[in-house]
Amino acid sequence: GAGVSQTPSNKVTEKGKYVELRCDPISGHTALYWYRQSLGQGPEFLIYFQGTGAADDSGLPNDRFFAVRPEGSVSTLKIQRTERGDSAVYLCASSLDGERGGTTDTQYFGPGTRLTVL
Amino acid sequence: GENVEQHPSTLSVQEGDSAVIKCTYSDSASNYFPWYKQELGKRPQLIIDIRSNVGEKKDQRIAVTLNKTAKHFSLHITETQPEDSAVYFCAAAFSSGYSTLTFGKGTMLLVSP
Repeated sequence: GAGVSQTPSNKVTEKGKYVELRCDPISGHTALYWYRQSLGQGPEFLIYFQGTGAADDSGLPNDRFFAVRPEGSVSTLKIQRTERGDSAVYLCASSLDGERGGTTDTQYFGPGTRLTVL
Repeated sequence: GENVEQHPSTLSVQEGDSAVIKCTYSDSASNYFPWYKQELGKRPQLIIDIRSNVGEKKDQRIAVTLNKTAKHFSLHITETQPEDSAVYFCAAAFSSGYSTLTFGKGTMLLVSP
């Protein structure tokens, strides 16, 4: 079946601009995660959604970052007043059910959006 | 919070040799430990995972071991092939709530023919 998809695959913007990154999780997956991966590093957690609600946004670096998932499926990560330090690959992952443990919390990643802030 | 250390950062082996990557974690409450393989410019792909109720898990040429007392876990790849070349990430999570993953910094594995 279709995996996690993300659009755009690449985004180049200028410092100070606003950007939106989109994630389409695997159909039926209730849990959705956003991570950020800088060059040469492992992914770092940003925010977790269970259904429509942000259950944990402790990884968001500051209030310029915001994410929504209004219908419990597609999610959008929004970055205001972008800075050069925001440049990274933004990864989305989904799992069948994030809350029960067991094997239903295996996370499947999307291909990422490479954000470059000039 | 959780902290995951991964070693080595790069590993070069000859085709057919074995490769071992080691990770340590800090939070004794962590109980889920997946390993992801990431090829250049591609998404991370789960290759194997282990939960804290088992000490070892094997899938063909890949195995993972877990030592909860010492808080470390390792990935073992036998009979390496050039297509195993990639960056490998270990991760840890406390999985009875939700599984926010804390990743290591990755190991670049190079398998020479």
